[in-house]
Amino acid sequence: DIQMTQSPSSLSASVGDRVTITCRASQSVSSYLNWYQQKPGKAPKLLIYASSSLQTGVPSRFGGSGSGTEFTLTISSLQPDDFATYYCQQSYSTPLTFGQGTRLEIK
Amino acid sequence: EEQLVESGGGLVQRGGSLRLSCAASGFTFNSHWMSWVRQAPGKGLEWVARIKRDGSEKYYVDSVTGRFTISRDNAGNSLHLQMNSLRGEDTAVYYCVRETRFPPIVNDAFDIWGRGTMVTVSS
Repeated sequence: DIQMTQSPSSLSASVGDRVTITCRASQSVSSYLNWYQQKPGKAPKLLIYASSSLQTGVPSRFGGSGSGTEFTLTISSLQPDDFATYYCQQSYSTPLTFGQGTRLEIK
Repeated sequence: EEQLVESGGGLVQRGGSLRLSCAASGFTFNSHWMSWVRQAPGKGLEWVARIKRDGSEKYYVDSVTGRFTISRDNAGNSLHLQMNSLRGEDTAVYYCVRETRFPPIVNDAFDIWGRGTMVTVSS
């Protein structure tokens, strides 16, 4: 099974900050990497697919990069609506696996 | 509107069974792989099972293999998860999720999620 590890597990930041979350895979997943945002009590929402492609309707302040085993999700200028938990997920092979999540909190 | 609505969750005793259902609407159901993803209280996301468009291929996470069965009814636009021999660690919100294959690479992402249905396994 491919293990996905996110860092940090939690992060405090302020509105307007630039934030980067890292996701590492235990083996190469090529560009088969997706990012999701989840708010408390809600279902996750797809943000980024195939490492760097922005899902329709997602603000352009979200960006993704990476390939192989290391990936990043960047939020260029944090907005109040962005405080949530973020998950990476590999779709390279089953079992499909998620990172443990990164909780983004208001400083 | 593309929508998934789960039902069938509830409280069940350890060792018992439960059948979850998911009603799909607003899109061509038989054009998509479908998955179940669960989330234990206060924990992260865990993929549980997925099924091919025509139902001919099914995959499971090891922890549910032999106990859970995923199925679909393309004529009725519905997805199901039969859960047997339930354990305490199966307690979670279960999400019905649509997979979409995004170009340019053959990458499947979970792009439509239901609101989830809670399954609680008591001892």
